[in-house]
Amino acid sequence: DTGVSQNPRHKITKRGQNVTFRCDPISEHNRLYWYRQTLGQGPEFLTYFQNEAQLEKSRLLSDRFSAERPKGSFSTLEIQRTEQGDSAMYLCASSLAARGQSPLHFGNGTRLTVT
Amino acid sequence: ELKVEQNPLFLSMQEGKNYTIYCNYSTTSDRLYWYRQDPGKSLESLFVLLSNGAVKQEGRLMASLDTKARLSTLHITAAVHDLSATYFCAVDRGSTLGRLYFGRGTQLTVWP
Repeated sequence: DTGVSQNPRHKITKRGQNVTFRCDPISEHNRLYWYRQTLGQGPEFLTYFQNEAQLEKSRLLSDRFSAERPKGSFSTLEIQRTEQGDSAMYLCASSLAARGQSPLHFGNGTRLTVT
Repeated sequence: ELKVEQNPLFLSMQEGKNYTIYCNYSTTSDRLYWYRQDPGKSLESLFVLLSNGAVKQEGRLMASLDTKARLSTLHITAAVHDLSATYFCAVDRGSTLGRLYFGRGTQLTVWP
Protein backbone atom coordinates (compact mmCIF):
# COMPACT_ATOMS: atom_id res chain seq x y z
CA ASP A 1 0.00 0.00 0.00
CA THR A 2 1.84 3.08 -1.24
CA GLY A 3 -0.93 5.48 -0.34
CA VAL A 4 -2.63 8.09 -2.48
CA SER A 5 -0.19 9.91 -4.73
CA GLN A 6 -0.71 13.38 -6.16
CA ASN A 7 1.33 15.31 -8.71
CA PRO A 8 2.60 17.91 -8.82
CA ARG A 9 3.02 18.91 -5.18
CA HIS A 10 3.11 22.59 -6.05
CA LYS A 11 1.95 24.53 -9.08
CA ILE A 12 2.36 28.24 -9.69
CA THR A 13 0.55 29.60 -12.70
CA LYS A 14 -0.52 32.89 -14.15
CA ARG A 15 -4.12 33.89 -14.24
CA GLY A 16 -5.83 32.64 -17.38
CA GLN A 17 -3.63 29.59 -17.82
CA ASN A 18 -4.88 26.01 -17.70
CA VAL A 19 -3.56 23.52 -15.16
CA THR A 20 -3.98 19.78 -14.73
CA PHE A 21 -3.40 17.71 -11.61
CA ARG A 22 -3.07 13.97 -11.33
CA CYS A 23 -4.11 11.59 -8.59
CA ASP A 24 -3.20 7.92 -8.25
CA PRO A 25 -5.40 6.27 -5.63
CA ILE A 26 -4.64 3.22 -3.53
CA SER A 27 -4.74 0.42 -6.06
CA GLU A 28 -7.67 -1.62 -4.79
CA HIS A 29 -9.85 1.44 -4.01
CA ASN A 30 -12.75 1.93 -6.38
CA ARG A 31 -13.84 5.35 -5.10
CA LEU A 32 -11.90 8.53 -5.76
CA TYR A 33 -12.68 12.02 -4.49
CA TRP A 34 -11.44 15.52 -5.11
CA TYR A 35 -11.56 18.16 -2.40
CA ARG A 36 -10.32 21.71 -2.14
CA GLN A 37 -8.92 23.26 1.01
CA THR A 38 -8.12 26.91 1.67
CA LEU A 39 -6.21 28.29 4.63
CA GLY A 40 -8.09 27.96 7.90
CA GLN A 41 -10.91 25.92 6.40
CA GLY A 42 -11.84 22.30 6.23
CA PRO A 43 -11.74 20.45 2.91
CA GLU A 44 -14.66 21.19 0.57
CA PHE A 45 -16.03 18.45 -1.64
CA LEU A 46 -15.64 18.92 -5.39
CA THR A 47 -16.49 15.61 -7.04
CA TYR A 48 -16.27 11.86 -6.73
CA PHE A 49 -15.99 8.77 -8.89
CA GLN A 50 -16.92 5.19 -8.38
CA ASN A 51 -14.73 3.28 -10.79
CA GLU A 52 -14.83 5.41 -13.96
CA ALA A 53 -18.27 6.93 -13.34
CA GLN A 54 -18.44 10.47 -11.98
CA LEU A 55 -21.33 10.17 -9.54
CA GLU A 56 -21.55 13.59 -7.96
CA LYS A 57 -20.30 17.11 -8.58
CA SER A 58 -20.44 20.00 -6.15
CA ARG A 59 -21.89 23.34 -7.12
CA LEU A 60 -18.39 24.63 -6.33
CA LEU A 61 -17.22 22.92 -9.49
CA SER A 62 -17.73 25.60 -12.11
CA ASP A 63 -17.64 24.95 -15.85
CA ARG A 64 -13.93 25.72 -15.79
CA PHE A 65 -13.28 22.59 -13.75
CA SER A 66 -13.34 19.10 -15.21
CA ALA A 67 -12.36 15.79 -13.72
CA GLU A 68 -11.86 12.44 -15.37
CA ARG A 69 -11.06 8.93 -14.33
CA PRO A 70 -10.88 7.21 -17.70
CA LYS A 71 -10.03 3.64 -16.72
CA GLY A 72 -11.20 3.67 -13.16
CA SER A 73 -7.65 4.02 -11.86
CA PHE A 74 -5.89 7.41 -11.83
CA SER A 75 -7.80 10.68 -12.12
CA THR A 76 -7.05 14.13 -13.46
CA LEU A 77 -8.50 17.47 -12.43
CA GLU A 78 -8.20 20.26 -14.95
CA ILE A 79 -8.86 23.92 -14.28
CA GLN A 80 -9.22 26.11 -17.33
CA ARG A 81 -8.64 29.87 -17.40
CA THR A 82 -7.44 29.92 -13.80
CA GLU A 83 -8.46 32.76 -11.50
CA GLN A 84 -6.81 33.98 -8.32
CA GLY A 85 -9.70 32.55 -6.34
CA ASP A 86 -8.67 29.09 -7.50
CA SER A 87 -5.56 29.27 -5.31
CA ALA A 88 -5.93 26.48 -2.79
CA MET A 89 -4.74 23.01 -1.86
CA TYR A 90 -6.39 20.37 -4.02
CA LEU A 91 -6.72 17.08 -2.21
CA CYS A 92 -7.44 13.69 -3.67
CA ALA A 93 -8.73 10.81 -1.57
CA SER A 94 -9.73 7.23 -2.21
CA SER A 95 -11.73 4.57 -0.42
CA LEU A 96 -13.06 1.08 -0.89
CA ALA A 97 -16.83 0.79 -1.24
CA ALA A 98 -17.79 -2.16 0.89
CA ARG A 99 -20.13 -3.04 3.68
CA GLY A 100 -20.09 -0.22 6.17
CA GLN A 101 -18.11 2.88 5.40
CA SER A 102 -14.36 2.98 5.20
CA PRO A 103 -12.56 6.25 5.85
CA LEU A 104 -11.17 8.30 3.03
CA HIS A 105 -7.41 8.07 2.55
CA PHE A 106 -6.02 11.41 1.47
CA GLY A 107 -3.01 12.23 -0.63
CA ASN A 108 -0.57 15.02 0.21
CA GLY A 109 -2.33 17.43 -2.09
CA THR A 110 -1.37 19.81 -4.88
CA ARG A 111 -0.94 23.39 -3.79
CA LEU A 112 -2.02 25.77 -6.55
CA THR A 113 -1.01 29.42 -6.56
CA VAL A 114 -2.50 31.64 -9.24
CA THR A 115 -0.65 34.93 -9.69
CA GLU B 1 -26.69 21.82 3.03
CA LEU B 2 -25.26 19.84 5.93
CA LYS B 3 -23.31 22.10 8.30
CA VAL B 4 -20.58 20.95 10.66
CA GLU B 5 -19.40 23.19 13.47
CA GLN B 6 -16.38 22.60 15.64
CA ASN B 7 -15.37 24.38 18.76
CA PRO B 8 -13.08 25.65 19.82
CA LEU B 9 -11.32 26.62 16.59
CA PHE B 10 -8.09 27.28 18.45
CA LEU B 11 -6.91 25.47 21.54
CA SER B 12 -3.70 26.09 23.42
CA MET B 13 -3.07 23.75 26.29
CA GLN B 14 -0.31 22.74 28.61
CA GLU B 15 1.17 19.28 28.54
CA GLY B 16 -0.52 16.95 30.97
CA LYS B 17 -3.90 18.67 30.82
CA ASN B 18 -7.20 17.28 29.57
CA TYR B 19 -9.56 18.91 27.11
CA THR B 20 -12.50 18.17 24.83
CA ILE B 21 -13.18 19.28 21.27
CA TYR B 22 -16.81 19.42 20.20
CA CYS B 23 -18.34 18.73 16.81
CA ASN B 24 -21.99 19.55 16.08
CA TYR B 25 -23.73 18.81 12.79
CA SER B 26 -27.01 20.00 11.40
CA THR B 27 -28.80 16.96 9.93
CA THR B 28 -29.15 13.30 10.66
CA SER B 29 -26.06 11.26 10.05
CA ASP B 30 -24.94 7.98 11.50
CA ARG B 31 -21.34 8.24 10.40
CA LEU B 32 -18.77 10.59 11.77
CA TYR B 33 -15.05 10.78 11.15
CA TRP B 34 -12.14 12.45 12.90
CA TYR B 35 -9.01 13.39 11.01
CA ARG B 36 -5.70 14.91 12.01
CA GLN B 37 -3.68 17.27 9.82
CA ASP B 38 -0.12 18.38 10.52
CA PRO B 39 1.09 21.65 8.91
CA GLY B 40 1.76 21.17 5.21
CA LYS B 41 0.66 17.56 5.36
CA SER B 42 -2.40 15.66 4.34
CA LEU B 43 -5.24 14.38 6.49
CA GLU B 44 -4.79 11.23 8.52
CA SER B 45 -7.82 9.23 9.59
CA LEU B 46 -8.11 8.85 13.37
CA PHE B 47 -11.55 7.46 14.08
CA VAL B 48 -14.66 6.26 12.27
CA LEU B 49 -17.80 6.30 14.40
CA LEU B 50 -20.63 4.37 12.80
CA SER B 51 -23.47 4.28 15.30
CA ASN B 52 -25.08 6.10 18.17
CA GLY B 53 -23.12 5.65 21.37
CA ALA B 54 -19.96 4.58 19.57
CA VAL B 55 -16.79 5.23 21.51
CA LYS B 56 -13.28 4.67 20.22
CA GLN B 57 -9.94 5.25 21.87
CA GLU B 58 -6.41 5.42 20.56
CA GLY B 59 -3.67 6.42 22.95
CA ARG B 60 -4.53 9.76 24.55
CA LEU B 61 -7.48 10.43 22.22
CA MET B 62 -11.02 9.20 22.70
CA ALA B 63 -13.92 9.95 20.37
CA SER B 64 -17.62 9.46 20.97
CA LEU B 65 -20.81 9.94 19.00
CA ASP B 66 -24.33 10.90 20.08
CA THR B 67 -26.49 10.86 16.96
CA LYS B 68 -29.59 12.05 18.79
CA ALA B 69 -27.80 15.19 19.93
CA ARG B 70 -25.90 15.36 16.61
CA LEU B 71 -22.73 15.72 18.63
CA SER B 72 -19.34 14.12 18.65
CA THR B 73 -16.53 14.79 21.08
CA LEU B 74 -12.80 14.24 20.86
CA HIS B 75 -11.32 14.04 24.33
CA ILE B 76 -7.63 14.57 24.93
CA THR B 77 -6.13 13.04 28.04
CA ALA B 78 -2.81 14.21 29.48
CA ALA B 79 -1.81 16.09 26.35
CA VAL B 80 1.71 15.84 24.96
CA HIS B 81 3.47 18.05 22.43
CA ASP B 82 3.15 15.42 19.67
CA LEU B 83 -0.60 15.93 19.66
CA SER B 84 -0.18 19.46 18.30
CA ALA B 85 -2.04 19.49 14.95
CA THR B 86 -5.35 20.50 13.44
CA TYR B 87 -8.24 18.12 14.09
CA PHE B 88 -11.21 17.90 11.76
CA CYS B 89 -14.51 16.17 12.18
CA ALA B 90 -16.53 15.20 9.13
CA VAL B 91 -19.94 13.65 8.51
CA ASP B 92 -21.76 12.19 5.53
CA ARG B 93 -25.44 12.06 4.71
CA GLY B 94 -25.54 8.32 4.47
CA SER B 95 -27.45 8.38 1.20
CA THR B 96 -24.54 9.85 -0.71
CA LEU B 97 -21.79 7.62 0.49
CA GLY B 98 -18.39 9.17 0.34
CA ARG B 99 -19.20 12.85 0.25
CA LEU B 100 -17.94 14.17 3.55
CA TYR B 101 -18.80 17.53 5.05
CA PHE B 102 -15.93 18.87 7.14
CA GLY B 103 -15.82 21.30 10.02
CA ARG B 104 -13.34 24.18 9.99
CA GLY B 105 -10.96 22.29 12.22
CA THR B 106 -9.55 22.82 15.70
CA GLN B 107 -5.95 23.95 15.76
CA LEU B 108 -4.39 22.41 18.86
CA THR B 109 -1.11 23.60 20.32
CA VAL B 110 0.34 21.76 23.29
CA TRP B 111 3.10 23.56 25.15
CA PRO B 112 5.44 22.35 27.90
